[in-house]
Amino acid sequence: EVQLVESGGGLVKPGGSLRLLCAASGFTFNTYNMNWVRQAPGKGLEWVSSISSSSHYIYYADSVQGRFTISRDNAKNSLFLQMNSLRVEDTAVYYCARDDVGPDYWGQGTRVTVSS
Amino acid sequence: QTVVTQEPSLTVSPGGTVTLTCASSTGAVTSGFYPNWFQQKPGQAPRALIYSTSNNHPWTPARFSGSLLGDKAALTLSGVQPEDEAEYYCLLYYGGVQVFGGGTKLTVL
Repeated sequence: EVQLVESGGGLVKPGGSLRLLCAASGFTFNTYNMNWVRQAPGKGLEWVSSISSSSHYIYYADSVQGRFTISRDNAKNSLFLQMNSLRVEDTAVYYCARDDVGPDYWGQGTRVTVSS
Repeated sequence: QTVVTQEPSLTVSPGGTVTLTCASSTGAVTSGFYPNWFQQKPGQAPRALIYSTSNNHPWTPARFSGSLLGDKAALTLSGVQPEDEAEYYCLLYYGGVQVFGGGTKLTVL
């Protein structure tokens, strides 16, 4: 059974940092691209970043470019999102999702709140 | 800034048929945008329904179908059930970048 479990969310002040983790199981992690997608309270889905299976290709939304860094550890079946210089508008539930010609399996999300 | 546009809301009667659309600010949506569709109910994570325009995931009910309709991607629900009331999102690929539509709130009434 494919499982994606996010962790690392929490309350942080503007300008602060957080590192999110997505633990994957139930599939061959190192053969799939992975995504981070977020959803602000009461708002729609926003794609944040993608990383290819070998980390060779990495993409970011303009809204997080230069502040967020996606990475993965295929030996530990783990996906990461390092978030720096956080802003109030980064407040959201962050989901990781496996990408197979589109995000097919999703985690339940981890909540990030940026507030003073 | 690329914008993907969906109908904000639609209403359908149980047993009816409804089509949701997904347009791109860059022009016509083609299969090369690999249109995906997702369903999200309150308090839940999104669930993938359709990938690459018209392919159903193994768990997607047969009443959901995807297509290209004119210059847009489309999601059609046939024989709508009360449990289909949800928010629906499309996703388009622009090379390595992905953009979600704003979502369509589907009411079954």
